[in-house]
Amino acid sequence: ETGVTQSPTHLIKTRGQQVTLRCSSQSGHNTVSWYQQALGQGPQFIFQYYREEENGRGNFPPRFSGLQFPNYSSELNVNALELDDSALYLCASSTLAPDTQYFGPGTRLTVL
Amino acid sequence: QKEVEQNSGPLSVPEGAIASLNCTYSDRGSQSFFWYRQYSGKSPELIMFIYSNGDKEDGRFTAQLNKASQYVSLLIRDSQPSDSATYLCAVDSNTGNQFYFGTGTSLTVIP
Repeated sequence: ETGVTQSPTHLIKTRGQQVTLRCSSQSGHNTVSWYQQALGQGPQFIFQYYREEENGRGNFPPRFSGLQFPNYSSELNVNALELDDSALYLCASSTLAPDTQYFGPGTRLTVL
Repeated sequence: QKEVEQNSGPLSVPEGAIASLNCTYSDRGSQSFFWYRQYSGKSPELIMFIYSNGDKEDGRFTAQLNKASQYVSLLIRDSQPSDSATYLCAVDSNTGNQFYFGTGTSLTVIP
């Protein structure tokens, strides 16, 4: 167990809806990174938050947005859901890079 | 060109054998290299990290790094059926604020 928690575990939405995923980081970690993992692929970096500010972003459209709170927990918001957004969403916590990232159990999102 | 490339496999080895997993990366500025194991339906679990050229051993696992060749490998000695999983290679970006992952190599250890 890494101490990183995510909620919910599973989620089913329809196209066009909005979704919020949550992550609590491991004690002592101030950095949260979000990844999208499609079936059969490696995780793809969405963005990273450090001390409540975005600290890097991957190649994802603006409808993917995030927040980090003073306790270092984080949210990932996705607007206008598309079928291709169906994936496992992973949150990883760490101290500021370069450092090992520890993953939470993930949220499986299905968009119908 | 992808930032991190791995053979997708599947790789099958008999129980007790050595499994060798390979990874190449494109960003010469990368400084940190990681191997994660992912069981089906689960999240990635850290196995090892390596920062310096050469070998790093941890129990049955040995990571090898060659920055000149931009190559990272993972050796699993005395492979066990419980080692059957997908192994993900991850490399940090030259800015250090994100990891690039390969697509993973599927390993099956046959009893």
